[in-house]
Amino acid sequence: QQPVQSPQAVILREGEDAVINCSSSKALYSVHWYRQKHGEAPVFLMILLKGGEQKGHDKISASFNEKKQQSSLYLTASQLSYSGTYFCGTEASGSRLTFGEGTQLTVNP
Amino acid sequence: NAGVMQNPRHLVRRRGQEARLRCSPMKGHSHVYWYRQLPEEGLKFMVYLQKENIIDESGMPKERFSAEFPKEGPSILRIQQVVRGDSAAYFCASSPIRDRASEAFFGQGTRLTVV
Repeated sequence: QQPVQSPQAVILREGEDAVINCSSSKALYSVHWYRQKHGEAPVFLMILLKGGEQKGHDKISASFNEKKQQSSLYLTASQLSYSGTYFCGTEASGSRLTFGEGTQLTVNP
Repeated sequence: NAGVMQNPRHLVRRRGQEARLRCSPMKGHSHVYWYRQLPEEGLKFMVYLQKENIIDESGMPKERFSAEFPKEGPSILRIQQVVRGDSAAYFCASSPIRDRASEAFFGQGTRLTVV
């Protein structure tokens, strides 16, 4: 069963912050975050393995609440290059990696 | 260190023909996923393979679609008797081992157009 992402779309001005959420009805082993630009392949951002784990690089970070079966991706002081569609991928049974429908992020000047 | 290589990048087939999509995983990776993506939609899981073994094919249509990952050579996604609804971007991703710690890296995709 695929995870549910919210919101479906976000429009920001450069420098603003955004949060993208990912939730699952099943117990999660791990959460993966990817960004895909139009016409390109998804690019790996980060993977979270433990409940409560937080990771980040540059101004993009993420948290994983294992108990709530949720993960959030935080984009701080957004840049034009952050525009794209963000996908969370979840592993519930340790086998396949299943993706949400994506959140389309647009950063305007 | 070459990334995941998919070919062809673009493939045009007439209805009823066969389409063969190839995916060479990253060096050292022995696991491959295939996903289908329609325009403006998400990544739909199709199949997960290990060398010489299909681990999970629950996302594959029952007819016309098959996948393999032989001991030598690339993984192949084969679509027989293509129909217009098969038009989509097909991505493969590879990972080194199948456990929770392994991130999956995507190829550039094959864009299949059925005319």
